[in-house]
Amino acid sequence: GENVEQHPSTLSVQEGDSAVIKCTYSDSASNYFPWYKQELGKGPQLIIDIRSNVGEKKDQRIAVTLNKTAKHFSLHITETQPEDSAVYFCAASFRSGGGADGLTFGKGTHLIIQP
Amino acid sequence: DVKVTQSSRYLVKRTGEKVFLECVQDMDHENMFWYRQDPGLGLRLIYFSYDVKMKEKGDIPEGYSVSREKKERFSLILESASTNQTSMYLCASSYGAGGGEQYFGPGTRLTVT
Repeated sequence: GENVEQHPSTLSVQEGDSAVIKCTYSDSASNYFPWYKQELGKGPQLIIDIRSNVGEKKDQRIAVTLNKTAKHFSLHITETQPEDSAVYFCAASFRSGGGADGLTFGKGTHLIIQP
Repeated sequence: DVKVTQSSRYLVKRTGEKVFLECVQDMDHENMFWYRQDPGLGLRLIYFSYDVKMKEKGDIPEGYSVSREKKERFSLILESASTNQTSMYLCASSYGAGGGEQYFGPGTRLTVT
């Protein structure tokens, strides 16, 4: 099945600096790569996603890049703010033997924004 | 707004008890998922369902079963709870085929003593 590796597990940056989180995946058939943000006491929430026919996508201060050849994708957050502090998960799609679509998640990155 | 609700935020059960975790979504989504979340292990898929009465095993189905009798409701069942099933359980739903955004509930923190 799909395997997703995520690094680093903890990332501490100064407010205003940029943060980068990286993920690799194993299944070349994966075609959908979302990023989720989880705040304390809440379920994960989608912040940005990218499909395999696109190399980069940007939404204000966040961007995602995808390198299908190398099977890795990254989340970039610029001008970090205190409210960016959270746990971030990457994920890659898989298709089951029964034809259903699901996600395999990375282990998460705890992003800490230092004031 | 999509809403995924879970029956309890916190639950304490004894070893050997049968435990039911309920999840309801209000957006007519075809797909529903159960994950468990443990520190350092991320989200691991237990079971998922892409239609009423249909289910597929995820990565860690041992010790769990599921039920989907209605489209909006997906239940996770721990047949005989054990202490290693103490965890945060998250339910999610998504629309249709082709992969897409999963909407998560707030989670149920289950403690088995």
